[in-house]
Amino acid sequence: DGGITQSPKYLFRKEGQNVTLSCEQNLNHDAMYWYRQDPGQGLRLIYYSQIVNDFQKGDIAEGYSVSREKKESFPLTVTSAQKNPTAFYLCASRKVLNTEAFFGQGTRLTVV
Amino acid sequence: KQEVTQIPAALSVPEGENLVLNCSFTDSAIYNLQWFRQDPGKGLTSLLLIQSSQREQTSGRLNASLDKSSGRSTLYIAASQPGDSATYLCAVREGQGAQKLVFGQGTRLTINP
Repeated sequence: DGGITQSPKYLFRKEGQNVTLSCEQNLNHDAMYWYRQDPGQGLRLIYYSQIVNDFQKGDIAEGYSVSREKKESFPLTVTSAQKNPTAFYLCASRKVLNTEAFFGQGTRLTVV
Repeated sequence: KQEVTQIPAALSVPEGENLVLNCSFTDSAIYNLQWFRQDPGKGLTSLLLIQSSQREQTSGRLNASLDKSSGRSTLYIAASQPGDSATYLCAVREGQGAQKLVFGQGTRLTINP
């Protein structure tokens, strides 16, 4: 089935550790996005990418990094510089400018 | 800076009622508006997409309208069912060159049997 796959579903991070969240899509979409969702704050954009090997910072990029080496993959690394990483992370993609955005099922990251 | 507001934050209605969810945005220079549904602990499911040139879109029991000049959209749900219980989010895609969706904080809907 076509769709967006995020893994893992749950992730636990120790203080000072970097962790990487996976996002893969087989929809042949050009643009991919990472959002963070916190209770009471809605979704906030972390990074987005419109084409391979190119990406832009969103509203809350500090403490995060991304890569886009393949069209279908857009992994997000949460670095130790992110002081409050506990949140629900959502990956999305879209084909062209005015089409629908589709989301994955999310990864819940918890600092332990 | 675009801001999206959804009122009310929570809504509880008996099964079978028709209901309206509201979404307002501050900058009318949008490309499109999308309504999503989110179940607890899950990702977002796209419900309807309205382009800036359109006035409404329908899918089954759902109808979304867009009044760009007044910065408002509504999601109408007919004959509500317990399975409609979820959080409903609206998001606008900003003007030319921008790629991000700006989200409201959502309306948590509960349909009581």
